[in-house]
Amino acid sequence: GENVEQHPSTLSVQEGDSAVIKCTYSDSASNYFPWYKQELGKRPQLIIDIRSNVGEKKDQRIAVTLNKTAKHFSLHITETQPEDSAVYFCAATSSNDYKLSFGAGTTVTVRA
Amino acid sequence: GAGVSQTPSNKVTEKGKYVELRCDPISGHTALYWYRQSLGQGPEFLIYFQGTGAADDSGLPNDRFFAVRPEGSVSTLKIQRTERGDSAMYLCASSPTRGGGYNEQFFGPGTRLTVL
Repeated sequence: GENVEQHPSTLSVQEGDSAVIKCTYSDSASNYFPWYKQELGKRPQLIIDIRSNVGEKKDQRIAVTLNKTAKHFSLHITETQPEDSAVYFCAATSSNDYKLSFGAGTTVTVRA
Repeated sequence: GAGVSQTPSNKVTEKGKYVELRCDPISGHTALYWYRQSLGQGPEFLIYFQGTGAADDSGLPNDRFFAVRPEGSVSTLKIQRTERGDSAMYLCASSPTRGGGYNEQFFGPGTRLTVL
C-alpha cells in the first residue's frame, strides 16, 4: 500500500516568514495529493490539493508543488500569520482508490 | 449546509465494554469513510462505504471492530471488548461520490474515545 512520509514534524516560523512542508510517497499510481489543516480540537479541513497532471498550484498565500519523478510534493505558505498555526497533513491517493494515506503531520507555530 | 457530524464528541469507557460511535454524513454523499487518528499521527483508514455496503474494510484492526450503514446515510462504528489501545480520535468523512478520483473528503469533528 501507499506510504506517505512528512517532514518536519514541527516547524516554528516568525510571522511574515515562509513555511515549507515536504512529503514523499511510495506508490507511483498515486495521482491526487490533498493537504489538510487541523486546528486544535477541530476537524481536518482541505486547504489545497494537486493532481498529477500539474506541477504546481497556487491559492493566495498557499502553494503546492509536485515532482512525480521523485515522488515528492511540498506545501508552501508565504507571509505567515498567527492564524496559520495548526497541524498540517499531506495525503495521497489515486483515482482508482478511495482511501487517503496521510503523513504524520507537521505542527506549525507562527510566532508574533 | 450542515457538515459531517459525529456523536458523541467524547466517550470514556472501561476496558472490556462495548461502544458505538455515530456518523451523520453530508446529505446526498454516497461515500463514507472511517479513520482513526492516534495522538501525534495522521488519520489511518479503517473502512469505506459506498451506499449501504462496506466496499473496503481492510483497515479494521481486528474482529472487535465493525461498522454498518444500513440505509446508506448514517453509519455506526462498533467496538466490542474495548482495549486501552483503542483510545484515539475516530474521524468520519464523506464525499459526494467515490473518494479518490479527485473527490474531496469532508471530515467530521471526530469522537475522542478514551478506554480506561
